Amino acid sequence: DQQVKQNSPSLSVQEGRISILNCDYTNSMFDYFLWYKKYPAEGPTFLISISSIKDKNEDGRFTVFLNKSAKHLSLHIVPSQPGDSAVYFCAASEDTGNQFYFGTGTSLTVIP
Amino acid sequence: NAGVTQTPKFRVLKTGQSMTLLCAQDMNHEYMYWYRQDPGMGLRLIHYSVGEGTTAKGEVPDGYNVSRLKKQNFLLGLESAAPSQTSVYFCASSLFYLTGELFFGEGSRLTVL
Repeated sequence: DQQVKQNSPSLSVQEGRISILNCDYTNSMFDYFLWYKKYPAEGPTFLISISSIKDKNEDGRFTVFLNKSAKHLSLHIVPSQPGDSAVYFCAASEDTGNQFYFGTGTSLTVIP
Repeated sequence: NAGVTQTPKFRVLKTGQSMTLLCAQDMNHEYMYWYRQDPGMGLRLIHYSVGEGTTAKGEVPDGYNVSRLKKQNFLLGLESAAPSQTSVYFCASSLFYLTGELFFGEGSRLTVL
């Protein structure tokens, strides 16, 4: 059963507007979360992470929010740029586990 | 800086054939991983290694074997390929275990006919 879910397979946003990508998880023991970005024919690249002791982490145009009670995290991209068009994966781990669990990805298209 | 390099990038196999995917990293990372990506399934962990000479099973290990004879290399083997193993395979490495980012290779697309 999928422990990390990205329920929106795709998202389209106008350039300059905010992109919000969502991720839900079922395992309350998860304590570390990451977002990866993937272009076609390339491997995923790390974007931003957050530990469960925080509820927000910001890096330039990218902000990740964590709502532990709702088991939900989101990635905000402001302002969105055409180069942000890619597939975004969220991933989660617990320190007593043995792997990262990945969501199925959301394909973001930023329209110029 | 090459990072994580996978070879080959593309391969077509017939059912029952064997092959090995090679992953090499030049970042001196202890931890290495093999994932597969299938449509609608996200990335799933096949096997991983927490150091030279060690390997462990991930979420979907059946039909695969791995070896980590050298710290910089992590090999994924298919002894008898099946159509269900048609996928894109990604190798990754990390400096920290479960609390740091993974560095991925570009992927290897395998088709089993």
